[in-house]
Amino acid sequence: EADIYQTPRYLVIGTGKKITLECSQTMGHDKMYWYQQDPGMELHLIHYSYGVNSTEKGDLSSESTVSRIRTEHFPLTLESARPSHTSQYLCASTDTRNTEAFFGQGTRLTVV
Amino acid sequence: GIQVEQSPPDLILQEGANSTLRCNFSDSVNNLQWFHQNPWGQLINLFYIPSGTKQNGRLSATTVATERYSLLYISSSQTTDSGVYFCAGDYGGSQGNLIFGKGTKLSVKP
Repeated sequence: EADIYQTPRYLVIGTGKKITLECSQTMGHDKMYWYQQDPGMELHLIHYSYGVNSTEKGDLSSESTVSRIRTEHFPLTLESARPSHTSQYLCASTDTRNTEAFFGQGTRLTVV
Repeated sequence: GIQVEQSPPDLILQEGANSTLRCNFSDSVNNLQWFHQNPWGQLINLFYIPSGTKQNGRLSATTVATERYSLLYISSSQTTDSGVYFCAGDYGGSQGNLIFGKGTKLSVKP
């Protein structure tokens, strides 16, 4: 059973606040990803990780940062949220062989 | 870089109709997947199909890797099939990352 969890599901915060979006997987996957998606639009890769202590920026520039201290955990942080960060954030994972990817339920972020 | 193109971008069907969604990719792509994004935004895995044909109920998919395309068939469509369908693939290697198409937005009318 594929298990990858994101919290919170929905978040409304004020401009300037610091937030962390959580993503955890129980499949032992080495690779993890964060995608940003506006409603009904394409997914843009913003961060990825090959394993512990590995993080890389994706194709879409993002003001967020990520960390990978444990295999199962890949949190995303915004130091100072702005209305332009309003979007859905999707976390995914695959194993090293890049087989089937699984996604969390997503976090819908609104910055007011 | 690798480009993944999906067609059609939008599709409206009457309940019970059949449809075919297409995914073309610009270079050799591994690990082709199809996803359905439900109204709550979650991406649901439909098929992991690097090559060949698979079927799951009313849905089936075919990937012809040598010709760089994949097809998703939906038969006897239902209103619950509505949503956005994405295909995605990676270009291989330990550092390959999933590249997504822009999606096909499907609306099934009762």
